[in-house]
Amino acid sequence: DTAVSQTPKYLVTQMGNDKSIKCEQNLGHDTMYWYKQDSKKFLKIMFSYNNKELIINETVPNRFSPKSPDKAHLNLHINSLELGDSAVYFCASSLTGPSEQFFGPGTRLTVL
Amino acid sequence: GDSVTQMEGPVTLSEEAFLTINCTYTATGYPSLFWYVQYPGEGLQLLLKATKADDKGSNKGFEATYRKETTSFHLEKGSVQVSDSAVYFCALEETSGSRLTFGEGTQLTVNP
Repeated sequence: DTAVSQTPKYLVTQMGNDKSIKCEQNLGHDTMYWYKQDSKKFLKIMFSYNNKELIINETVPNRFSPKSPDKAHLNLHINSLELGDSAVYFCASSLTGPSEQFFGPGTRLTVL
Repeated sequence: GDSVTQMEGPVTLSEEAFLTINCTYTATGYPSLFWYVQYPGEGLQLLLKATKADDKGSNKGFEATYRKETTSFHLEKGSVQVSDSAVYFCALEETSGSRLTFGEGTQLTVNP
C-alpha cells in the first residue's frame, strides 16, 4: 500500500557519471514534485509537474532533467554528476495544488 | 516573495517537557499554513494545517494557531515524548497556488 515510492534508496557513484532516480505514486494525484535536501536539512524545490506538464522549473543546472511518462511517474535524470549534487532527493505528490503533499522516502545520492 | 522563518535549532528537551517551535511568515494575502515532520531516515509527512486566520490545526497532541496579526504559526505540544524526536518544518502555500515554501527546519531531540 505504498503511496509514494522512490528507487533506489541509496545511490553511490563517481563524478561525471549519469544516473536516474525513479518515482511512482499510487494515490491518483495530479501533481508531482522533486525536492533536494542538503546536509543541513534545507529543502529546495526543483521541479513540479501537473498531469505530465512541467509547471515549476527552479534555477537548477540543466544537467538535471525530469521526465514524466504519465501522471503517476516522475523520474529525475542527472548528467555529469558533481560532488555538490550529493544530497537526499525527495519525490512528492499532491492531489491538486501544492497544499497537502505526500513525500517518498528519499534517495540519498553520494557522489565520490 | 513569500518566505518562512523558523526558530533556530537544534532544540533538546527532556521527556514530558513543553515544546514551542516558532514560525513566522511573510506573504501577500492569506496563505494556508502547515507543519510537516520528518522522522529520521524518512520523508516529510503533514502534521497539521490551518487555512485561515484564527484556525487551529492539531494532530498527535501538537497544535498551532494561525495568527494573522503577528504573521505567526507557532507549533506547541504540552508533553513531548522520545518518539517526537524529528525535524519539524513550517511551510506556507504561496498565494499563487503553485508551490509550498518551507522554513529551514528545526531539529528536535527528546531525551528520556
